Amino acid sequence: DAKTTQPTSMDCAEGRAANLPCNHSTISGNEYVYWYRQIHSQGPQYIIHGLKNNETNEMASLIITEDRKSSTLILPHATLRDTAVYYCIVKGSQGNLIFGKGTKLSVKP
Amino acid sequence: GAVVSQHPSRVICKSGTSVKIECRSLDFQATTMFWYRQFPKQSLMLMATSNEGSKATYEQGVEKDKFLINHASLTLSTLTVTSAHPEDSSFYICSARDQGSTDTQYFGPGTRLTVL
Repeated sequence: DAKTTQPTSMDCAEGRAANLPCNHSTISGNEYVYWYRQIHSQGPQYIIHGLKNNETNEMASLIITEDRKSSTLILPHATLRDTAVYYCIVKGSQGNLIFGKGTKLSVKP
Repeated sequence: GAVVSQHPSRVICKSGTSVKIECRSLDFQATTMFWYRQFPKQSLMLMATSNEGSKATYEQGVEKDKFLINHASLTLSTLTVTSAHPEDSSFYICSARDQGSTDTQYFGPGTRLTVL
C-alpha cells in the first residue's frame, strides 16, 4: 500500500500557483519524498524529491514540514500543460515506487 | 532528467501470441529496472523488479512464467508477455533506477498492448 495520502482532485487557474499537499505521517527518518506526474497515456515524469530541506528546481518547489509528516509541491505559475495526475511517493522496502491514486490537477484558463 | 525509452509504443496482437517489450536507459546505467502495468482509470501497479544479471523478483499475483523478464545488460530490460489473452491488454510502463547521486527512477513512455 502507498505510504502517502493526497486529495483526489484540485483545480487551479492558469498563471496562478498550484499547491499540492501530501501527507506521509509514517515516513521514517531516512526516506525521501518523491513527486511524479502523469499526463494522460504517458509514462510518469519525475518532478522533484527531498528529505528534510525544501528543494527547488526548474519545474517546482517542494516544501517539507519540520516533522516530515507532510509536504507540498508548488508549481509557481501553472499552465494548461501542467494538467496531470500528481503522485507523492515514499519508496517501498524494496526501493520501488508505490503509486497511490494521486491528485488530478486541472489547470483552467 | 535521464531518458528511458520503450519499444514498441503500441502493439496489437492476436490471442495466444507472445509480445516482447524493450526498455532502455539511454544515458545512464541501470542495475535495477521495474515493470509496471496500468489499467484504465487506475494507478500504476508494480509487476516485477528486474536486476541485471539475476532473476527478476515478481510481485504477488504476477505469473513469472507468463511475464518473462530479462535484464541482460545495464541498459536493457525486456518484458515478454507469453500466450497473451485479451485480459492482458493494458498499458505497460518500465522505469530505470539511476543509482548515482540522486537515486531516482525515470520512466519510459509506456507501451499500449491490445490483445484481440
